[in-house]
Amino acid sequence: QKEVEQNSGPLSVPEGAIASLNCTYSDRGSQSFFWYRQYSGKSPELIMSIYSNGDKEDGRFTAQLNKASQYVSLLIRDSQPSDSATYLCAVPLYNTDKLIFGTGTRLQVFP
Amino acid sequence: EPEVTQTPSHQVTQMGQEVILRCVPISNHLYFYWYRQILGQKVEFLVSFYNNEISEKSEIFDDQFSVERPDGSNFTLKIRSTKLEDSAMYFCASSPRGGSNQPQHFGDGTRLSIL
Repeated sequence: QKEVEQNSGPLSVPEGAIASLNCTYSDRGSQSFFWYRQYSGKSPELIMSIYSNGDKEDGRFTAQLNKASQYVSLLIRDSQPSDSATYLCAVPLYNTDKLIFGTGTRLQVFP
Repeated sequence: EPEVTQTPSHQVTQMGQEVILRCVPISNHLYFYWYRQILGQKVEFLVSFYNNEISEKSEIFDDQFSVERPDGSNFTLKIRSTKLEDSAMYFCASSPRGGSNQPQHFGDGTRLSIL
C-alpha cells in the first residue's frame, strides 16, 4: 500500500513568519507532487506542483523536493491569517493519475 | 477562471435509496475523477474516466457505484443503494490531459448525508 505521510498538526506560526510543511511518500517511482490547500468544509485547491529535485517558487510559496529522501515540503513566507487552512500533499501512484493524499497538516497563523 | 461545478451542494438521502451526484468539468478537460472525503479523514480516490470509459477504480468503487458521461458536459456518479458509510463529501475533479504529471482541479463538492 503506497502511503503519503504528513504531520497532522496543528502547526501554529505568528503572522509574518515562515511556515514549513512536510510530507514523505513511500512510492520510489513517484515523479509528480502536488500541494493543495483546503479550508474547513471546502474543496482542495491546487497551490503548487513540483516534478524535479530542488526548489520551485511561486509568490510566497516554495515547494522543495528531494526524491532520494522521498521528501517534499512547502514553505509559506510572510504567513497571513488567511493562510490558516489544512495543507494536503498529494502524490500520484506510479504511472497513474490516481492521487494518493496525505492526512493534511492544519496550519494556524495567529495575528 | 474556469471551474469544476458540482450539484447539489448537499444531498440528504434515506439508506437504500439511489443517489446521483452531478459534475460539470472544465470545458476543455478530457480526464475526469471522483474522490470522496469522510469527515475528518483523508481524501480518497474513487475512479478515473476518459473517453467514456473507466480508466482506473479503487477498492471502494464496488458494484453499487457507477459513473457516466450522459452528454457533452455532465459527468455523474451514481450510488445504487446507499449505506450509512457512504456519508461523505464527494469531489469531482478534472484535468486537461491524463498522466501523473497533470494537476487535477477540484469542484466544491457535494456533501452526501445518508439517514
